[in-house]
Amino acid sequence: DSGVTQTPKHLITATGQRVTLRCSPRSGDLSVYWYQQSLDQGLQFLIQYYNGEERAKGNILERFSAQQFPDLHSELNLSSLELGDSALYFCASSAGRDNQPQHFGDGTRLSIL
Amino acid sequence: AQSVSQHNHHVILSEAASLELGCNYSYGGTVNLFWYVQYPGQHLQLLLKYFSGDPLVKGIKGFEAEFIKSKFSFNLRKPSVQWSDTAEYFCAVNTGRSYIPTFGRGTSLIVHP
Repeated sequence: DSGVTQTPKHLITATGQRVTLRCSPRSGDLSVYWYQQSLDQGLQFLIQYYNGEERAKGNILERFSAQQFPDLHSELNLSSLELGDSALYFCASSAGRDNQPQHFGDGTRLSIL
Repeated sequence: AQSVSQHNHHVILSEAASLELGCNYSYGGTVNLFWYVQYPGQHLQLLLKYFSGDPLVKGIKGFEAEFIKSKFSFNLRKPSVQWSDTAEYFCAVNTGRSYIPTFGRGTSLIVHP
């Protein structure tokens, strides 16, 4: 058990819709990272938050946004969904600000119909 | 920006066979290298990492990897695989300029009992 919790495990929705994915980091970790894993793009880094502030940004679309709350859980919001957004979305956490993600969640499988 | 290539997309072996998964990166400066494993339905786990020192790195579950700087490679090896090694394996690299690791596309390993 990595200690990182992601909900929901599966999400099925339609094009044009908006969804919110939730992540609770491992206890004591202040950084949260979001990744998208798809067959054609592989594992892509989206964004990192550290203690409530955005720390690093990767290949995140403008239709996507994230935030980290005072209790350190994070939410990834995906809007105007397209078929190509179907993927596994991973959350990871680490204790520090400037280091690689260390603990990964099981992911949320998003399917767009 | 750095990139990571994993040339073997799918590998099928019988139990007790030896394993070597290729990983090459493109970045001319100092790198940190990682191998992660993702068992079916589970989260990513760190197998081993190289930051500096002995280029032959020992990881968990009998895995090892060798950093060859001149070849920009970090190949993963195991002398004798088991059925339980069936998983997806990801090579990743970060640099002194960006601590966020870039992942390879992954290699799917199937071990037949």
